[in-house]
Amino acid sequence: RKEVEQDPGPFNVPEGATVAFNCTYSNSASQSFFWYRQDCRKEPKLLMSVYSSGNEDGRFTAQLNRASQYISLLIRDSKLSDSATYLCVVNLPPGGYNKLIFGAGTRLAVHP
Amino acid sequence: NAGVTQTPKFRVLKTGQSMTLLCAQDMNHEYMYWYRQDPGMGLRLIHYSVGEGTTAKGEVPDGYNVSRLKKQNFLLGLESAAPSQTSVYFCASSRITSGSYEQYFGPGTRLTVT
Repeated sequence: RKEVEQDPGPFNVPEGATVAFNCTYSNSASQSFFWYRQDCRKEPKLLMSVYSSGNEDGRFTAQLNRASQYISLLIRDSKLSDSATYLCVVNLPPGGYNKLIFGAGTRLAVHP
Repeated sequence: NAGVTQTPKFRVLKTGQSMTLLCAQDMNHEYMYWYRQDPGMGLRLIHYSVGEGTTAKGEVPDGYNVSRLKKQNFLLGLESAAPSQTSVYFCASSRITSGSYEQYFGPGTRLTVT
């Protein structure tokens, strides 16, 4: 079983749509959770951290369910510029070097 | 600030050739990492360093060596390239601060081994 699993997509949605991505992780000792965004042929960049109580950043909402080992990302009012691959990322203890495990990513394509 | 830079951006090697990928960061980060990214797979950690003069193996270290002689630089070497090492290589760096796990990535090096 992969340590971090994501639906690869692609998700093809029209502008203005709401889209949700899910991610599951296998290690119950995981402590920190993130969503990174990766544009085509570019490097990954941090989109947002995911907190236990859930958190929102503009049109983006992240949720964490520790009991089910499940993370989600909701994008409201999708823009063309949201087209990218979204990587679910989990920090694994004991780390000692900020060890991050990356999912393979979910591809989003927003069309006019 | 340039952030994290990588040299070269593209390279084609023949099987058995060697090369070194250079990563440089100007953010004074303690931690540095080398990943490879292949289609359908997440980024996989090759080697990492928690400080100048120290390196350690990651998830997929075979066929690679690294060195961190200066805090700002992290070199990845391929001694005898194989087609299985065709990939996109990303370097990243991060702070040492507890709880600050964001990694900053370079633009990547696309390597093809024929």
